[in-house]
Amino acid sequence: DAGVIQSPRHEVTEMGQEVTLRCKPISGHDYLFWYRQTMMRGLELLIYFNNNVPIDDSGMPEDRFSAKMPNASFSTLKIQPSEPRDSAVYFCASSLKGAVGGNQPQHFGDGTRLSIL
Amino acid sequence: DAKTTQPNSMESNEEEPVHLPCNHSTISGTDYIHWYRQLPSQGPEYVIHGLTSNVNNRMASLAIAEDRKSSTLILHRATLRDAAVYYCILISRPGKIIFGKGTRLHILP
Repeated sequence: DAGVIQSPRHEVTEMGQEVTLRCKPISGHDYLFWYRQTMMRGLELLIYFNNNVPIDDSGMPEDRFSAKMPNASFSTLKIQPSEPRDSAVYFCASSLKGAVGGNQPQHFGDGTRLSIL
Repeated sequence: DAKTTQPNSMESNEEEPVHLPCNHSTISGTDYIHWYRQLPSQGPEYVIHGLTSNVNNRMASLAIAEDRKSSTLILHRATLRDAAVYYCILISRPGKIIFGKGTRLHILP
């Protein structure tokens, strides 16, 4: 079975450039999540979607970050302009909608390691 | 939000059982107890979850205390590939998920 697919696996770019991270969730999953992981702050939820609609973006650090989900099989996380402090590993995850809120596991991709110089 | 407490690190010998503890004294009735693990350079991987009863799957077992204020992830026979950071998380709805620092499990050959 194809899992969550993220691209690129690694991205190195200069400060001020636009960065676009991509995610393909598992087919049939209703929820999509974007996380960021750093040594200092651990794994943080940035935003999540239900049926392509953003539900909670309270974890997005600032206006330079934006996320879209134009269809059920694709999502992007964009940083514009990028800054060195955005360097982190960004994960995408997806899950089914359970009958009860917390009763479905999340399936994670292998992440994008982003370095902003 | 209900919080979990885990030891920072644990060690175990290869081929022996491992019991990873988690305290969650402020758990609410709708919180599911989830365990994930993260191997080096990979995304978190779902291990197991439960609500009130003990659960078993091919990867592990989850023992939940009767008052639900603590739980234990049991790896029945540790291998070197089980060396990872293990996260215990409470989830009541899809967007309510907070990862702590987890337990770094070292497996000794």
